[in-house]
Amino acid sequence: DTEVTQTPKHLVMGMTNKKSLKCEQHMGHRAMYWYKQKAKKPPELMFVYSYEKLSINESVPSRFSPECPNSSLLNLHLHALQPEDSALYLCASSQTHTYEQYFGPGTRLTVT
Amino acid sequence: DQQVKQNSPSLSVQEGRISILNCDYTNSMFDYFLWYKKYPAEGPTFLISISSIKDKNEDGRFTVFLNKSAKHLSLHIVPSQPGDSAVYFCAAYRAGGNKLVFGAGTILRVKS
Repeated sequence: DTEVTQTPKHLVMGMTNKKSLKCEQHMGHRAMYWYKQKAKKPPELMFVYSYEKLSINESVPSRFSPECPNSSLLNLHLHALQPEDSALYLCASSQTHTYEQYFGPGTRLTVT
Repeated sequence: DQQVKQNSPSLSVQEGRISILNCDYTNSMFDYFLWYKKYPAEGPTFLISISSIKDKNEDGRFTVFLNKSAKHLSLHIVPSQPGDSAVYFCAAYRAGGNKLVFGAGTILRVKS
């Protein structure tokens, strides 16, 4: 099973809403990632979790709050977002200390 | 500072011919290079990788060549098929860095 799942597929939220994105993998991977991708741009790394601990935060604004409840799950809590935060949010996972990351299909987020 | 560059935004190839996608990098510390393929509204899919100690890796129709002295790699697809039409991202990884650095992507269109 090489699948990373993400829910929801699409999300529309207002600037005062609180919502969460969810990601799940059952490959036994111990590193999980959040990326943001704008149209016609490459994925930009936001956060990395290694063994359920936050290891990299790429200076992401605090309105994005990651959480790793266990080794299979990764959440991204969203609060007071701006319209420019509208993007495709991708989750990925990998064995730790390896380069091959498996991506989920993404959540298309629109902030109104 | 763009460490991984894909200078061709798009490429159009006739079905059955060879597609050559190029990528340049600036950081000589990268240990692995990867190619990902992405369809619209989906997450990137890992295609093929190459270690910095090799100069060629082949997997079916896909071959990646690495020229370390020129800091250049290329992905060859032969024969090209219409289903290969997608955005191709070059990515680089430094062992211990735990993060992929992506190029801007090249849109490949294979015409039948």
